[in-house]
Amino acid sequence: NAGVTQTPKFRILKIGQSMTLQCTQDMNHNYMYWYRQDPGMGLKLIYYSVGAGITDKGEVPNGYNVSRSTTEDFPLRLELAAPSQTSVYFCASIAGTENYEQYFGPGTRLTVT
Amino acid sequence: GEDVEQSLFLSVREGDSSVINCTYTDSSSTYLYWYKQEPGAGLQLLTYIFSNMDMKQDQRLTVLLNKKDKHLSLRIADTQTGDSAIYFCAERAGNNRKLIWGLGTSLAVNP
Repeated sequence: NAGVTQTPKFRILKIGQSMTLQCTQDMNHNYMYWYRQDPGMGLKLIYYSVGAGITDKGEVPNGYNVSRSTTEDFPLRLELAAPSQTSVYFCASIAGTENYEQYFGPGTRLTVT
Repeated sequence: GEDVEQSLFLSVREGDSSVINCTYTDSSSTYLYWYKQEPGAGLQLLTYIFSNMDMKQDQRLTVLLNKKDKHLSLRIADTQTGDSAIYFCAERAGNNRKLIWGLGTSLAVNP
């Protein structure tokens, strides 16, 4: 299994541009999450999904959108990039088994200038 | 509301023990976790403890849970330079589908 994969690894955007961060997992996990991690800070939950077709907002959803058309994929969309969205973005998934271990992707480092 | 707090930095000498502390506020926590993040990488689960346990040991790692004080600690015995990383404490409260994360403790291991 590849686990959780994210693309791209790095991206520089201009203010106002749009992009989609891709996240795919091959573990047949139902639950998937998007976090952002600002320098020296912990994780902030952006959006999460408990299954295909179901998404919900986390702590910091403004400026982002998600969709979950399949179990495997959970893309994160930035419509009008702003400097405040400069961060490292992590995707994670959970099997939903009792111990709730989250599996993380390697992250996407995004800079908005 | 729910909150998880950790000290931000810890510096130890190679070979010493490291103790990273975490406090949480939600008394309905069911699982508590320690994750490790190496530079430029994602987070990896180190260990977790169920709320009905007081202690869990896994090789060089010992987790202690004091439910009365809502205090969790991670002890790393014989700390090595490869243990230098950020360590995150997280809790799952009840049947929540989300984890509550601390800000992370940056562990520096000096030779």
